[in-house]
Amino acid sequence: DSGVTQTPKHLITATGQRVTLRCSPRSGDLSVYWYQQSLDQGLQFLIQYYNGEERAKGNILERFSAQQFPDLHSELNLSSLELGDSALYFCASSAGAGTGAYEQYFGPGTRLTVT
Amino acid sequence: GQSLEQPSEVTAVEGAIVQINCTYQTSGFYGLSWYQQHDGGAPTFLSYNGLDGLEETGRFSSFLSRSDSYGYLLLQELQMKDSASYFCAVRVAFSGNTPLVFGKGTRLSVIA
Repeated sequence: DSGVTQTPKHLITATGQRVTLRCSPRSGDLSVYWYQQSLDQGLQFLIQYYNGEERAKGNILERFSAQQFPDLHSELNLSSLELGDSALYFCASSAGAGTGAYEQYFGPGTRLTVT
Repeated sequence: GQSLEQPSEVTAVEGAIVQINCTYQTSGFYGLSWYQQHDGGAPTFLSYNGLDGLEETGRFSSFLSRSDSYGYLLLQELQMKDSASYFCAVRVAFSGNTPLVFGKGTRLSVIA
């Protein structure tokens, strides 16, 4: 158990809908990262937050947004969902933002299925 | 941009040694990490190389050559439980920070 929690574990929704994925980092970790994992693309970095502020943005679509709250939990919002958004979404956390980023602790993931 | 290349699949015999290579092309390279992911599970951190050379952690070792933009993960005394996907990931300069960029992973199958 990494100490990172994600909810829900599974999500099935229809195209065009909006969903919110939630992540709580390990106790004491200030950085939260979101990744998308699909069969053909591997682990794609989406976005990073550190202590409530956006720190780095990767291949995140404009239909997706995230935020980190004062209690350090984070939410990833996916809107206008398309079939291609079906994937496993991981949240990870680390103690630091820069030098500490090489060792990240991953949550169990949320499997999103868009029908 | 960044690119990482690693073999998609490797098969090895229980008790043997296997090496998984990773080559990368990045700007602003800071270091190379390795992660293991079992089917249906989350990636877990194995090792990190910030400097050239070999890092050893039990049965696993990782090597980095910055001049060759190359690294590898070495797994010794393979066990069936080592069957998993292995990802190399680079820390790169990225909009003011250094998040990880992952390769597509190498699926290791350990056979009896």
